[in-house]
Amino acid sequence: SQTIHQWPATLVQPVGSPLSLECTVEGTSNPNLYWYRQAAGRGLQLLFYSVGIGQISSEVPQNLSASRPQDRQFILSSKKLLLSDSGFYLCAWRLHPRDRGITNYGYTFGSGTRLTVV
Amino acid sequence: RKEVEQDPGPFNVPEGATVAFNCTYSNSASQSFFWYRQDCRKEPKLLMSVYSSGNEDGRFTAQLNRASQYISLLIRDSKLSDSATYLCVVNAIPGAGGTSYGKLTFGQGTILTVHP
Repeated sequence: SQTIHQWPATLVQPVGSPLSLECTVEGTSNPNLYWYRQAAGRGLQLLFYSVGIGQISSEVPQNLSASRPQDRQFILSSKKLLLSDSGFYLCAWRLHPRDRGITNYGYTFGSGTRLTVV
Repeated sequence: RKEVEQDPGPFNVPEGATVAFNCTYSNSASQSFFWYRQDCRKEPKLLMSVYSSGNEDGRFTAQLNRASQYISLLIRDSKLSDSATYLCVVNAIPGAGGTSYGKLTFGQGTILTVHP
């Protein structure tokens, strides 16, 4: 069965410090991968998605970046955190459309990282 | 207009009640529809997919009306454990050339509290 791992669970970082959040998926290959952020009391905002190694698409301009060095590894980074970067960061995976066929698959989310920038 | 809009809520109902959530989406080309449930400070989890013919899973019934671009979720015989935020989710427009990157768009969510 497929599993998704995300760490750390919580993080408190000072303004201006770097960030690296990691997400890995097991039990599948060539998944679509996504990074979402959920600010307090708000909806889910898509930050980045990837359909393959080295392929990253950004949804919103920001001081964050993403990388996919391996098929099942997705990393969210920042060189200098801002206060506004605080939030609940969620990694998700979904079967690639060609592997889904006609089956209607949703996302599976990791357990999330709660980031507080102070 | 937001891509996915839900009832603002919150809904506060007694145990045993029937509650219905509504959702509308703006893109008529949307192809996949879901309801997710999110408990406080946890990740969203897939509750059920929504099919054109409507589908039921125990106490939960989902309906889709493509003509009206409307999705609903009905919860019968509410339990205390049903208290959560319910998210309406729709897939985005397929990419150029017929490809689809599978991006899902989430509604803001509706908070449900079931009380004794």
